[in-house]
Amino acid sequence: ETGVTQTPRHLVMGMTNKKSLKCEQHLGHNAMYWYKQSAKKPLELMFVYNFKEQTENNSVPSRFSPECPNSSHLFLHLHTLQPEDSALYLCASSQGASGGPYNEQFFGPGTRLTVL
Amino acid sequence: AQSVTQLGSHVSVSEGALVLLRCNYSSSVPPYLFWYVQYPNQGLQLLLKYTTGATLVKGINGFEAEFKKSETSFHLTKPSAHMSDAAEYFCAVSSGAGSYQLTFGKGTKLSVIP
Repeated sequence: ETGVTQTPRHLVMGMTNKKSLKCEQHLGHNAMYWYKQSAKKPLELMFVYNFKEQTENNSVPSRFSPECPNSSHLFLHLHTLQPEDSALYLCASSQGASGGPYNEQFFGPGTRLTVL
Repeated sequence: AQSVTQLGSHVSVSEGALVLLRCNYSSSVPPYLFWYVQYPNQGLQLLLKYTTGATLVKGINGFEAEFKKSETSFHLTKPSAHMSDAAEYFCAVSSGAGSYQLTFGKGTKLSVIP
């Protein structure tokens, strides 16, 4: 595997379900990100991890719970979601703070989430 | 704080015509600017970026962008559109000075008409 991978690619869940999204990067990066992409809205940065430490939480509801066990893996745990949470969830990685402010973010293909 | 405005959520061009996608930014410090492209059912891919130095930046697939500080713009151009250029394009800004986070515009969907 190369680059940034995300699983599953598609997920349908009910409002009472608990599920997790997984992201893995094979680029040796130190920073990982979760974004939400909804129709007609800009990309919304949700969480940022740098060297496994959460450095940003953009007022995301507690029904979204991130986990970063190491610099290569990032999870997004989902529980009691709402229909408006249906979106494409993108994971990205970059060199992070040590790589400078112009370092490129590499994106995974995303997980298309539908909440019924 | 920084922000990005992309004029036109949808742009249509004929195959072979000039592509011009507009991006204006707001930043309190010298910005680093990026253009990303997203093809259907895929993540974002970097087209090009401006950091310092030459203000005309060349990227992949024949795209280029010019940083104009006086106009706070970073418009994306391609001389001749190809059908494969149909995608959504995102402009983004990093505030620099130790920041490694990006602020994205809303995106512009490019359609290419045969």
